[in-house]
Amino acid sequence: AQRVTQPEKLLSVFKGAPVELKCNYSYSGSPELFWYVQYSRQRLQLLLRHISRESIKGFTADLNKGETSFHLKKPFAQEEDSAMYYCALSGPQGAQKLVFGQGTRLTINP
Amino acid sequence: EPEVTQTPSHQVTQMGQEVILRCVPISNHLYFYWYRQILGQKVEFLVSFYNNEISEKSEIFDDQFSVERPDGSNFTLKIRSTKLEDSAMYFCASTRTSGSDEQFFGPGTRLTVL
Repeated sequence: AQRVTQPEKLLSVFKGAPVELKCNYSYSGSPELFWYVQYSRQRLQLLLRHISRESIKGFTADLNKGETSFHLKKPFAQEEDSAMYYCALSGPQGAQKLVFGQGTRLTINP
Repeated sequence: EPEVTQTPSHQVTQMGQEVILRCVPISNHLYFYWYRQILGQKVEFLVSFYNNEISEKSEIFDDQFSVERPDGSNFTLKIRSTKLEDSAMYFCASTRTSGSDEQFFGPGTRLTVL
């Protein structure tokens, strides 16, 4: 079964502190993993994907196949990072459905 | 920058009525999707559409649902006889290629069934 688990519904950290949003997945095969973000009153948008191995807005995420995890990290949180974050997976073929986690609402306190 | 658009932003209907949710994907995109999010729950896949036919659908997408691309721009989701449990945010998305590409989401239509 394809499943994405984000164990924290809410996460609150202070500005300048490190942030880690957890994501674990279940998939028989090699999925593509993504983090999508939804800022207040904006649409869902892609933050980063594991195949790109890039850092976007200071965020990184490493795919750990042994632990089936794809945690999102940022060393120094900024207030503008406050948003809803969704971890998602799709099949390896591309252009396939996204399976989303529950989402984590991240709040950065000043 | 091109965006996926959806209309209406909010639709209120009576139980048993038919609704059509409209989406205009990004113009050079070839793959189209509908997702929904019931309040407080996760975003769930409904259906994907390519080359004028459904390529995959979920268990949620039963006989009361249908999708159509009636012209070169619109992509619609029809719910034939709405139920209270159809109340949700419905998102349209599109992607350009069959490669591992980004799905671009619309702003959503909030459907309220009374």
